[in-house]
Amino acid sequence: DGGITQSPKYLFRKEGQNVTLSCEQNLNHDAMYWYRQDPGQGLRLIYYSQIVNDFQKGDIAEGYSVSREKKESFPLTVTSAQKNPTAFYLCASSIRGQGNTEAFFGQGTRLTVV
Amino acid sequence: GNSVTQMEGPVTLSEEAFLTINCTYTATGYPSLFWYVQYPGEGLQLLLKATKADDKGSNKGFEATYRKETTSFHLEKGSVQVSDSAVYFCALKTSYDKVIFGPGTSLSVIP
Repeated sequence: DGGITQSPKYLFRKEGQNVTLSCEQNLNHDAMYWYRQDPGQGLRLIYYSQIVNDFQKGDIAEGYSVSREKKESFPLTVTSAQKNPTAFYLCASSIRGQGNTEAFFGQGTRLTVV
Repeated sequence: GNSVTQMEGPVTLSEEAFLTINCTYTATGYPSLFWYVQYPGEGLQLLLKATKADDKGSNKGFEATYRKETTSFHLEKGSVQVSDSAVYFCALKTSYDKVIFGPGTSLSVIP
């Protein structure tokens, strides 16, 4: 079945450590996205990528980094510079260049930093 | 810039009541508009979409019409069920693939 896989579902890290969240898709989509969800704040765009080896900052990119070396994969690193990293992180993908197509979402990773 | 505003709730309704969740947007160009639904602990699922002015999206009894003159995309359902309890997000997608979400509206339907 085609879809987006985020792993792990729950992740715990100590403060000051970098952590990488995985996102893989087999939908053959060019565009991929990372969002952060906090209670009462909806989804905020961290980074998005329209094609391999290219990505753009979203509204809250500070303290995060991404890479897009393969079409299928768009990992997100939460660095120690992120002041409040505990949140629910959602990855999505969509067809590129067709504004009328929806984004498909993974099941999310809940990161807790202690 | 691009942004989406929606009523934040929470909204509590009795079963079979009429639902309206307001959504307005600001965008350059001509975005496509979407409503997504999120159940607890899960990712988002597409509920409906509209890609140009005056289009009506519909699914599972929910409807929304793309109103360019008022930059709105309000979600409606004539008779809600307990199973409709979830968080609803309005979103837009620009021609360069950027997808922006509103803050979400939590809906609880009580029997």
